[in-house]
Amino acid sequence: EVQLVQSGTEVKKPGDSLKISCQGSGDSFTNHWIAWVRRMPGKGLEWMGIIYLRDSDTRYSPSFQGQVTISADKSISSAYLQWNSLKASDSAMYYCATKTPGEYFQHWGQGTLVSVSS
Amino acid sequence: QTVVTQEPSFSVSPGGTVTLTCALSSGSVSTSYHPSWYQQTPGQIPRTLMYRTNVRSAGVPDRFTGSILGNKAALTITGAQADDESDYYCALYMGSGIWVFGGGTKLTVL
Repeated sequence: EVQLVQSGTEVKKPGDSLKISCQGSGDSFTNHWIAWVRRMPGKGLEWMGIIYLRDSDTRYSPSFQGQVTISADKSISSAYLQWNSLKASDSAMYYCATKTPGEYFQHWGQGTLVSVSS
Repeated sequence: QTVVTQEPSFSVSPGGTVTLTCALSSGSVSTSYHPSWYQQTPGQIPRTLMYRTNVRSAGVPDRFTGSILGNKAALTITGAQADDESDYYCALYMGSGIWVFGGGTKLTVL
């Protein structure tokens, strides 16, 4: 059974950098694609991008291209979401999820809450 | 940029039937978009309900049905129950490793 464990709540100031993580476990986990999904307060789910753990092939939603960086370290079965300069509007819950060959998101992490405020 | 549209809100009576839809800003939704559906209640992580248009995820009761209705993907809940009150999201695969979520439907059961 695949399990995803995300890093904990982050409280940051505008302009800070941040890297949150999603570590997976389970059979052949490095064969998975891991997606990142944002949910801002009072808003819906937004697909941000996806990375293939085996070779770090990465795709971004046009809405998030250039705003965040998705990376991975297959040696520890982890994917990351990174900001160089946070804005208040980056305050949200961020989820990671595995993508299956059926082109859907099957297993979800518990979410990482990011709060950005001066 | 592709927009995926869902009804912002819907209300259904307990025991009733409701169909939520998922449309594209341009063009028709077909099985080629691999529609999937997710349920999220406040404070919970998303739960995968349906994938490949009409395949239920493990543990999802058969009162949830996925389909293509006209030019939209659809999720029908038959015999709605109080704990179906939730936010529902569709996701469409656009190709080239890109997905888009719909804006979500807030379902009220009353």
